[in-house]
Amino acid sequence: NAGVMQNPRHLVRRRGQEARLRCSPMKGHSHVYWYRQLPEEGLKFMVYLQKENIIDESGMPKERFSAEFPKEGPSILRIQQVVRGDSAAYFCASSPQTGDNSPLHFGNGTRLTVT
Amino acid sequence: GENVEQHPSTLSVQEGDSAVIKCTYSDSASNYFPWYKQELGKRPQLIIDIRSNVGEKKDQRIAVTLNKTAKHFSLHITETQPEDSAVYFCAASRSNQGGKLIFGQGTELSVKP
Repeated sequence: NAGVMQNPRHLVRRRGQEARLRCSPMKGHSHVYWYRQLPEEGLKFMVYLQKENIIDESGMPKERFSAEFPKEGPSILRIQQVVRGDSAAYFCASSPQTGDNSPLHFGNGTRLTVT
Repeated sequence: GENVEQHPSTLSVQEGDSAVIKCTYSDSASNYFPWYKQELGKRPQLIIDIRSNVGEKKDQRIAVTLNKTAKHFSLHITETQPEDSAVYFCAASRSNQGGKLIFGQGTELSVKP
């Protein structure tokens, strides 16, 4: 049973470009969470999605960041007009439908570098 | 807002000694407390978790204790081994927020042979 799959593993973007990060949850999981980890810091919650719904986006920056989890296909975290401060590791996690306090299992992350 | 404080930020022990990492949380409605281990450049991996209806949980060399009154929980690793070296994160969440975890700042554990 494959775990949470994220791609790409590494992404380099110049300032002003767009970054798209993809996450496929574990089989049978319909809840997806995105977290950001700045260098040598803890993980910060960004957004919680179910299929076609954003449940909690309280951790998302107000501008340039958006997330979706369509009916078909992976969840996408999109960062427009990237700046150097966006350089971080972005981790996705998923949980099953009955996900009240279900353990979260993280993907291997996407390491974004903005030059 | 919700906050989780974790101490110490770094911890160095000799192989075979015990290691203890402590966390406090601010949200009294929190009822789920996982611990993650993250090796350099890798994903956080769940190592143990505890729910608020339990005071202690053990899994081989790892144990977690929870004091709801003090809003405090701790990770205990006994008989440490060099492969235990990593960054450890505590986290807290409440049941009506799904998987929205509030993480501590992390503890870098170094186990010296």
